[in-house]
Amino acid sequence: DTQVTQSPSTLSASIGDTVTITCRASQNINRWLAWYQQKPGKAPKLLIYKASALETGVPSRFSGSGSGTEFILTISSLQPDDSAVYYCQLFNNNLYTFGQGTKLEIK
Amino acid sequence: EMEVAESGGGLIQPGGSLRLSCVASGFTVGSSYMSWVRQAPGKGLEWVSIIYNNYNTYYADSVKGRFAISKDISQNTVWLQMNSLRAEDTAVYYCARNRGYDSSGDYYGTDVWGQGTTVTVSS
Repeated sequence: DTQVTQSPSTLSASIGDTVTITCRASQNINRWLAWYQQKPGKAPKLLIYKASALETGVPSRFSGSGSGTEFILTISSLQPDDSAVYYCQLFNNNLYTFGQGTKLEIK
Repeated sequence: EMEVAESGGGLIQPGGSLRLSCVASGFTVGSSYMSWVRQAPGKGLEWVSIIYNNYNTYYADSVKGRFAISKDISQNTVWLQMNSLRAEDTAVYYCARNRGYDSSGDYYGTDVWGQGTTVTVSS
C-alpha cells in the first residue's frame, strides 16, 4: 500500500502570511491527490483535486502543486477563517489514504 | 443541490453489529463512487470503504472482513454493515461522494459529504 507523510503537524502563522503544507507519497501517484479543509465539528471540504485544480468556490488564495511523490498546499494572504485542519488524500490501487493532518492556527 | 444524509449510528457493545445508511439527493448513487470515511474522537480522517458505479468494493485493511459496503439504486441509498465491532471503531462516520480518478493520473476528490453519524463501541 502507498504510505503518505504529511508535514508539519501544526503550523502557526499571522494574518497575511503565506504557508505551505507538504504531503509525500511512498511511491509515484501521478496527480492522484486532493486537499481538504476541516473545521471543528464539521465535515471536510474539498479544496484542491488532481493535485493542483481549484475546486469551484474555493478562494484563489489556495493553490496546490506537485506530482509523483511530493505535493504542496499553499495558502497565501492568510485570513482568520483559514484556521482549520488540512488533510491531503491520495489514491492508489483503489485505496484512498488520508494524510495525518496539519492544524493551522492563525495568530 | 447534491446532499447525503447518514443515519444508524449509536452505542453498541464490542462484538456487535450495526448498519449505517446514507441517503443521497441531487445525484444518483448508481452512477457515482460512494465512500465511507471515519474520524475517531480527536483524531484525523480515515478512509474506510468505497463502492464504485460497477458495484466493485474496496476496504481499508483495518475493516476488511468485518465491514461491507452496498447500495440500492432504487432507494438511492448506500449502506455500511459493520460486524465484529471493536472499541477502535468508535468514530464519526461520514458518507461522501467520490468523483473518481482516471487512467491519465488525475484524482478528482471527494466533494459531497454528510454531517456524519456517531458510532460508539463500548460495554
